[in-house]
Amino acid sequence: GDSVTQMEGPVTLSEEAFLTINCTYTATGYPSLFWYVQYPGEGLQLLLKATKADDKGSNKGFEATYRKETTSFHLEKGSVQVSDSAVYFCALSERAAGNKLTFGGGTRVLVKP
Amino acid sequence: DAGVIQSPRHEVTEMGQEVTLRCKPISGHDYLFWYRQTMMRGLELLIYFNNNVPIDDSGMPEDRFSAKMPNASFSTLKIQPSEPRDSAVYFCASSLLGLGNQPQHFGDGTRLSIL
Repeated sequence: GDSVTQMEGPVTLSEEAFLTINCTYTATGYPSLFWYVQYPGEGLQLLLKATKADDKGSNKGFEATYRKETTSFHLEKGSVQVSDSAVYFCALSERAAGNKLTFGGGTRVLVKP
Repeated sequence: DAGVIQSPRHEVTEMGQEVTLRCKPISGHDYLFWYRQTMMRGLELLIYFNNNVPIDDSGMPEDRFSAKMPNASFSTLKIQPSEPRDSAVYFCASSLLGLGNQPQHFGDGTRLSIL
């Protein structure tokens, strides 16, 4: 079955540092890939997505590139802010599975001033 | 536009009581998902519906859990009887299948505490 593996946290950074969160996946078909972010006390929000190989998703300074050859979708941001402190989830979905999302375990990121 | 609306936001009740969680999906969305989030297990998919019909309920933990979607704008998740281990945050999400993979939109969740 489909699965998503992402690096465990917590990840603690200073403001303006570079952030990378690794994500790899296994899937039977050709999935779409997503990064969701969850701020304290809130639901998950879509951060970015990519629907085919070599697509780059980007939003709010975050980027991730769909790498089919390495089955990866690593999240990066060049200069983090305190407001980026949150839990980040990598996920995949396959149309054949009716948009059912398979999530990674989440990575907590804490940015200190 | 209104997002996914869940109620109540918080629920505290004693074990053995019936608990009903409610969800209003985004208008026009044809998929609805119920998730449970705990520190131990992370985010778990409980059940999902397509056009009000349950498609996969393999994530429902026990017969004490049931979910319904009587119409396109309303769904409930019921726990009867409730137990302390059911304490978690329950999320509802909806999506539109469309021509390509569309993201799921999540509500703010119901934080459930069973004493």
